[in-house]
Amino acid sequence: GAGVSQSPSNKVTEKGKDVELRCDPISGHTALYWYRQSLGQGLEFLIYFQGNSAPDKSGLPSDRFSAERTGGSVSTLTIQRTQQEDSAVYLCASSPPNQPQHFGDGTRLSIL
Amino acid sequence: DQQVKQNSPSLSVQEGRISILNCDYTNSMFDYFLWYKKYPAEGPTFLISISSIKDKNEDGRFTVFLNKSAKHLSLHIVPSQPGDSAVYFCAASPLSGGSNYKLTFGKGTLLTVNP
Repeated sequence: GAGVSQSPSNKVTEKGKDVELRCDPISGHTALYWYRQSLGQGLEFLIYFQGNSAPDKSGLPSDRFSAERTGGSVSTLTIQRTQQEDSAVYLCASSPPNQPQHFGDGTRLSIL
Repeated sequence: DQQVKQNSPSLSVQEGRISILNCDYTNSMFDYFLWYKKYPAEGPTFLISISSIKDKNEDGRFTVFLNKSAKHLSLHIVPSQPGDSAVYFCAASPLSGGSNYKLTFGKGTLLTVNP
C-alpha cells in the first residue's frame, strides 16, 4: 500500500500478557517513529529509528517496552507484562530525510 | 511539563468564515513546527509546516504564522469548510543535524465547522 500500515488495528489483552505491534512504513522512508496517544492527551514520542538503528529511545516509558526494526523496513514494538496504564493508541510514522512524518492509523491497545 | 500547549480544546466556526487555531511553546530549542489534522480512528495527516527562519507559510486555504519572540504559532483556515472538522494538533521539533524527529505534540483542538 501507499501509506504506513499498522497491525493489528485493535488489540484487547489481559494484564500481564505480552503484546507485539507491527508497523510497515512507506517504502523508501529511512526514518521510523513510534508514538502513543493516551486518552485526552497529545501524542507522546516513544522511539526513533534511522535505518535499523535507534539513536533515540528516550521516550520508552519502562524496560517493559522494546522495539526493533529489520531490513530498514518493518518495525515491531513489544510490551511485556502489560499494565492497564499501557492502554492507548500506538501510532507509527515514517519519513524520508528532512521531510514531515507520515502516520499510520494506529493500534488501539486495551488492557483488561 | 507541557512544552507545546493548545489552550483551546475546541473551536466552532461557521462555514465560509476564518478558523484560527493557536499554539504556544516553551522550548527555545524548537526550530520546526507542524500542524496535523486527525479524523476519528485515523492517524494524523500532515497539513503544513514552518521553520523558524520564516514567519509565514501559506498553502491554499491554510496559512501558518510563527511569532518566535512570543513563542506562538497559529493556523488560519480560510474559508472554513465542513470537511475541515477534525482535531488539529500542533507539533514542534528541534532541527538536529538537519533532520526533524521526536515531535512534541500539543493536546489538540477540536474544530467544528457548521454548515
